Amino acid sequence: GQQLNQSPQSMFIQEGEDVSMNCTSSSIFNTWLWYKQDPGEGPVLLIALYKAGELTSNGRLTAQFGITRKDSFLNISASIPSDVGIYFCAGLVLETSGSRLTFGEGTQLTVNP
Amino acid sequence: DVKVTQSSRYLVKRTGEKVFLECVQDMDHENMFWYRQDPGLGLRLIYFSYDVKMKEKGDIPEGYSVSREKKERFSLILESASTNQTSMYLCASSLFMWGTGYNEQFFGPGTRLTVL
Repeated sequence: GQQLNQSPQSMFIQEGEDVSMNCTSSSIFNTWLWYKQDPGEGPVLLIALYKAGELTSNGRLTAQFGITRKDSFLNISASIPSDVGIYFCAGLVLETSGSRLTFGEGTQLTVNP
Repeated sequence: DVKVTQSSRYLVKRTGEKVFLECVQDMDHENMFWYRQDPGLGLRLIYFSYDVKMKEKGDIPEGYSVSREKKERFSLILESASTNQTSMYLCASSLFMWGTGYNEQFFGPGTRLTVL
């Protein structure tokens, strides 16, 4: 089945810094989604990407669907303490997985005030 | 906004008990999913359902069953709870449009189950 490699596994940054994380795969994906999970809560959808090359922003967050369709990145600009949490990428392969998403293992983000 | 609710945020059960985890969504979504989340293992799909009374095994169905009698409700059942089923359980739902790749899954708040 498909696998997603998400990196880095964890990040420790100072408030105000920019953050970048990415997911890569050997498989081609039709859809990329980015989620954030606060401690003790369920993941919340941040950004959805449906076309290769697509660049989408949501406030201070920007995500891109890689041209090769095998990767995606998420950037957070000017981080703030409430950005703390686990960020997950998720991908969908239409032909082989129907509606099942494949998830990365997450990037744990810590922001020091 | 899509709302996915789970019956309990925290649950403590004993080994061998039958456990029911309930999930309800209010957006008329066809698809519903149950995942478990463990440190270092990410999100793993247990079961999912495309429609009422339909179910499909995910990656780790052993020790679990599901029930979907109504479109808005998807139940996860642990027939005989074991300590290795201590985990965070997450329910999700989505409106899947065939052929489009649209599959935004919306998650509930999770149930943290401890089996003693």
